[in-house]
Amino acid sequence: DQQVKQNSPSLSVQEGRISILNCDYTNSMFDYFLWYKKYPAEGPTFLISISSIKDKNEDGRFTVFLNKSAKHLSLHIVPSQPGDSAVYFCAGPMNRDDKIIFGKGTRLHILP
Amino acid sequence: GAVVSQHPSWVICKSGTSVKIECRSLDFQATTMFWYRQFPKQSLMLMATSNEGSKATYEQGVEKDKFLINHASLTLSTLTVTSAHPEDSSFYICSAPRIMGKGVGYTFGSGTRLTVV
Repeated sequence: DQQVKQNSPSLSVQEGRISILNCDYTNSMFDYFLWYKKYPAEGPTFLISISSIKDKNEDGRFTVFLNKSAKHLSLHIVPSQPGDSAVYFCAGPMNRDDKIIFGKGTRLHILP
Repeated sequence: GAVVSQHPSWVICKSGTSVKIECRSLDFQATTMFWYRQFPKQSLMLMATSNEGSKATYEQGVEKDKFLINHASLTLSTLTVTSAHPEDSSFYICSAPRIMGKGVGYTFGSGTRLTVV
């Protein structure tokens, strides 16, 4: 049973426009959610997090929105830049033992 | 910031041999280390959790005799892929959680690309 779902395997966005990456979850036990960015053959790098008691968190070009009733969160990147091309993972830590459960990832292509 | 150094970054080995991957926390004590595996175009799948001074906890479906995990000190955790086969070829990543002011932060190693030929 996949507890964190990213249903879009890839997304292409024009440079300068807004990129919206979506994530759904099934387990209401997550205390917070994390977004990671990953380049090929590298470890994930942390982008932004959101507590389950908040509905929005913003950090520079990155904003994450959480809709608890829909069990849905989204990462907005604006304006999108070429260096944003990567795979983005949504993740939720299990509060009982801090294990992170990852979604399958969405590959973002920023088009020139 | 906190750094986890992972070595080697890539390794090619013959089928039947064993490969050891090291993850070392450089500026903090990692009492716990998570080991992940990523197949091409797939998610990071948690394999096991190592805890300093005790036995590792393996996720369902992961062979503990094949993937030996040792966490002998607060700064070093190792994963040994024993009797490697081509299907073990994958990208392995470690991650250490640490308590931060507002919760738990996770530091990832840079990953190891294992190719078994």
